[in-house]
Amino acid sequence: GENVEQHPSTLSVQEGDSAVIKCTYSDSASNYFPWYKQELGKRPQLIIDIRSNVGEKKDQRIAVTLNKTAKHFSLHITETQPEDSAVYFCAAEPRANSGYALNFGKGTSLLVTP
Amino acid sequence: GAVVSQHPSRVICKSGTSVKIECRSLDFQATTMFWYRQFPKQSLMLMATSNEGSKATYEQGVEKDKFLINHASLTLSTLTVTSAHPEDSSFYICSATLDRYEQYFGPGTRLTVT
Repeated sequence: GENVEQHPSTLSVQEGDSAVIKCTYSDSASNYFPWYKQELGKRPQLIIDIRSNVGEKKDQRIAVTLNKTAKHFSLHITETQPEDSAVYFCAAEPRANSGYALNFGKGTSLLVTP
Repeated sequence: GAVVSQHPSRVICKSGTSVKIECRSLDFQATTMFWYRQFPKQSLMLMATSNEGSKATYEQGVEKDKFLINHASLTLSTLTVTSAHPEDSSFYICSATLDRYEQYFGPGTRLTVT
């Protein structure tokens, strides 16, 4: 089955700096890679996603890169702001026999200090 | 955007009782709904995949007789925790998908079993 590894588990940056979170996956059949942001006690919110037919996608301060050969993908947040502080989860899909359920990484707790 | 609601948001019950959690897609018909459990400071763990009109597919280690899932319509799935025990206390989150890609999460239900 799919195994998604996420690093680092915690990340602290100063406001204005960039933050990078990396994930690797094991199932070469996976072709959809979303990133979710979850604030304490709230639902995960999709912030960006990428499909396997592209290598990079950008949305304002957020970008995701995908290397299918190496089976890793990364989230890049530029010009970080305190409100970016949250837990970020990467995920990969599909899981065999699970109706396209997502496999989540363990999460990265990002702290942006003013 | 797609909206998923969950009810109740918070429930406290006594050990041995059953609790029902509802997940609704408000503005779209969900082909598939998923149920996750999240312990504090941990990732989302998939419990089961639910398709309308068919039996849910449970992940390994999840007791189907304890966590009853009913998916009566394309907009409603319910999770019933039967004979709840303190170790069942957790944050339960559902998600719904339009297609095989984007998943939209409900706000979660905080279950506390005393």
